Amino acid sequence: EAGVAQSPRYKIIEKRQSVAFWCNPISGHATLYWYQQILGQGPKLLIQFQNNGVVDDSQLPKDRFSAERLKGVDSTLKIQPAKLEDSAVYLCASRRNDLSTDTQYFGPGTRLTVL
Amino acid sequence: GDSVTQMEGPVTLSEEAFLTINCTYTATGYPSLFWYVQYPGEGLQLLLKATKADDKGSNKGFEATYRKETTSFHLEKGSVQVSDSAVYFCALSKKNTGNQFYFGTGTSLTVIP
Repeated sequence: EAGVAQSPRYKIIEKRQSVAFWCNPISGHATLYWYQQILGQGPKLLIQFQNNGVVDDSQLPKDRFSAERLKGVDSTLKIQPAKLEDSAVYLCASRRNDLSTDTQYFGPGTRLTVL
Repeated sequence: GDSVTQMEGPVTLSEEAFLTINCTYTATGYPSLFWYVQYPGEGLQLLLKATKADDKGSNKGFEATYRKETTSFHLEKGSVQVSDSAVYFCALSKKNTGNQFYFGTGTSLTVIP
């Protein structure tokens, strides 16, 4: 089974520019998560989707970050405008919508550098 | 709120040494506990998990036991290899919070030949 796919793997932008990241979860996984991992820290949840609905976006900086999962499959995370402190790895994870499992599967991440 | 505290790194060991990485958690209810590993340039991979008290998760020679009385989930391996060099993350999740993960800060392990 194919894993979680993310693109691009690396992105370098100037502050105040916009950037978008894409994630394709494992087929059949209804739940999708976006995490931000700042260097030297553990991943922090930004937003959680169940199918195409938002379950939790309480930690998403909504003045500049947005995310969507229009058809309940792949998802896009956008930052507009970017700040220096947004430099981080953005991880996408997915999970089956199944009470028997709570394991999340992670993609390789997108490393964002804001100059 | 729910949180995970991990032992600070970095940790450097010689090949075949014994490894312990400490992890303690704070959570209400009955969380599931996980260890994820991140090899250089790669995403997080599940190493092992335990879903209830006294469960032992194990994989690739690594073990961790869910200790509710000490709120701990320490990772151990009897004999590390160079290929175990990576960053290790302890995490918890609970079904009543959408299985959102709370991660520790990670512990970097380097194994030298």
